[in-house]
Amino acid sequence: KQEVTQIPAALSVPEGENLVLNCSFTDSAIYNLQWFRQDPGKGLTSLLLIQSSQREQTSGRLNASLDKSSGRSTLYIAASQPGDSATYLCAVRDDKIIFGKGTRLHILP
Amino acid sequence: ETGVTQSPTHLIKTRGQQVTLRCSSQSGHNTVSWYQQALGQGPQFIFQYYREEENGRGNFPPRFSGLQFPNYSSELNVNALELDDSALYLCASSTSTGSPYEQYFGPGTRLTVT
Repeated sequence: KQEVTQIPAALSVPEGENLVLNCSFTDSAIYNLQWFRQDPGKGLTSLLLIQSSQREQTSGRLNASLDKSSGRSTLYIAASQPGDSATYLCAVRDDKIIFGKGTRLHILP
Repeated sequence: ETGVTQSPTHLIKTRGQQVTLRCSSQSGHNTVSWYQQALGQGPQFIFQYYREEENGRGNFPPRFSGLQFPNYSSELNVNALELDDSALYLCASSTSTGSPYEQYFGPGTRLTVT
């Protein structure tokens, strides 16, 4: 049974710092892994999608990596800003989509 | 390009009642998935529809059912509501072409069962 774990559960960092969010999964037979952002009480915004054949994807200040063999993904955020404060969720797709519980990120002005 | 929309935004129901939630897929998407997100948790997969047929289901009882229409819009129906059904219900659309299976989410429907 696929399980997705995100560490840490919550993170506070000063504005301007670079940071890394972690996601691990137990079954490496996945089609893809997707990172999302969720603002309080809102829907999910897709940030990056990594297909199983890919190692990383980049969009602006965001970079996501995927290591299927070790069952890990990281989301790197460069030069953090207060507007980056949100919950970040990762999800893997095998025969269905399994989400982690998310990391609540707070960027201190 | 029209994004994923959901209605209603908020809903309050009484235990034992039935509810229908609606979702309009992003233009060109033929697959819709529904998720339940309890407070402080990640979304839990309920089921997925592809071309009007259910083609995947999570660990939810049969009182959770759905429909997908020819225009790829979708409904989630929940019968015999329980207090634990209180959650944010999210739908997501995707396509099997282009960037396959990339999920695009709607804003969600907040259901409160009293």
